[in-house]
Amino acid sequence: DAGVTQSPTHLIKTRGQHVTLRCSPISGHKSVSWYQQVLGQGPQFIFQYYEKEERGRGNFPDRFSARQFPNYSSELNVNALLLGDSALYLCASSRTEMNTEAFFGQGTRLTVV
Amino acid sequence: GDSVTQMEGPVTLSEEAFLTINCTYTATGYPSLFWYVQYPGEGLQLLLKATKADDKGSNKGFEATYRKETTSFHLEKGSVQVSDSAVYFCALISMNSGYSTLTFGKGTMLLVSP
Repeated sequence: DAGVTQSPTHLIKTRGQHVTLRCSPISGHKSVSWYQQVLGQGPQFIFQYYEKEERGRGNFPDRFSARQFPNYSSELNVNALLLGDSALYLCASSRTEMNTEAFFGQGTRLTVV
Repeated sequence: GDSVTQMEGPVTLSEEAFLTINCTYTATGYPSLFWYVQYPGEGLQLLLKATKADDKGSNKGFEATYRKETTSFHLEKGSVQVSDSAVYFCALISMNSGYSTLTFGKGTMLLVSP
């Protein structure tokens, strides 16, 4: 079975641009969560989606948005990119919204220049 | 809010040495606790977990015991290998209204030399 897949693996953007990151959860998993991992730090929670609805949001500005599709895949969008948005963005999938066990993808490395 | 504190690294050991990485937490109630491992250039892999007090999680020679008296979940391994070199994250589940989140420590880098 395929694990959590994220695309792209790396990308470079310029300040002010927007970016879309994609995630496909494990088959049968209905919850997707997004985390931001800045270099040298632990991951920080951004969003959780379950059954196509936003269930939780971390302390991130409105420039960050996400959505979940009927097939449970998800997109994370970031507008008006800042240098500080440079990070590894991780997607985690779990069976339910109360994700007692989360499985992570390889992440998308975003560099903002 | 909930938080996790783990020892700063890097931890540098020789192969076959004993490993301890300390982790303490602050949380409401008794959350499930986890250790994740991140190899260079990769995402997070679940290493082990414990869901209630006095539970011992174990995997690949690593183990950690959920100690509610000391709010700790220290990671141990009796004999490390070069291939164990990675960053280790302690984490807990925070249960909110209608959803849950993982709260991570800052990570501890382990470097094992031959």
